[in-house]
Amino acid sequence: AQKVTQAQTEISVVEKEDVTLDCVYETRDTTYYLFWYKQPPSGELVFLIRRNSFDEQNEISGRYSWNFQKSTSSFNFTITASQVVDSAVYFCALSEADTNAGKSTFGDGTTLTVKP
Amino acid sequence: DARVTQTPRHKVTEMGQEVTMRCQPILGHNTVFWYRQTMMQGLELLAYFRNRAPLDDSGMPKDRFSAEMPDATLATLKIQPSEPRDSAVYFCASGLRTGTPDTQYFGPGTRLTVL
Repeated sequence: AQKVTQAQTEISVVEKEDVTLDCVYETRDTTYYLFWYKQPPSGELVFLIRRNSFDEQNEISGRYSWNFQKSTSSFNFTITASQVVDSAVYFCALSEADTNAGKSTFGDGTTLTVKP
Repeated sequence: DARVTQTPRHKVTEMGQEVTMRCQPILGHNTVFWYRQTMMQGLELLAYFRNRAPLDDSGMPKDRFSAEMPDATLATLKIQPSEPRDSAVYFCASGLRTGTPDTQYFGPGTRLTVL
């Protein structure tokens, strides 16, 4: 069975601080996909990144970066120089690679509050 | 900018009434998911379809919930009869499955309140 754990329920930082959101996953599949989604106060879930299990290269997109480590089954998300607009709930998710499947298992989310 | 649309955005109803939520997936997407989000349970997958066929609805209470895709541009989630514990935000998401798990694009959600 798949499982995604986001141990940090809530994080509060002051603007311009760097913050890392942790995501640890469990799966028996050798091929799988990991995702991060952002849910701002408006409520809509916004896709941020997708990474497959064969690509352990870290990714950077502006102030966002992701660190994927298969050895520790982690896919952590770092926001550099955080801004108030980054305040949101962030979800990590895991998907099976089976072509007949495709369900995503979501973590419980981490609520990030960035204070001015 | 293609988006998933959901109607209604808000629904308040009384216990026992029928509720129908609608979703229009992004044109060309072949997979549709229905999720329910509550404070207690987080995001729960209720059902999902590929090419309009239901693949998994094990997350759905079968006695009162039903999900259908009458055509490729419309997915519906129906609750009959509704109960207060059904109060939640219901999200629809669509994706394009071409052999690898699709990225899911979420709609704005329907906030359901059952009194």
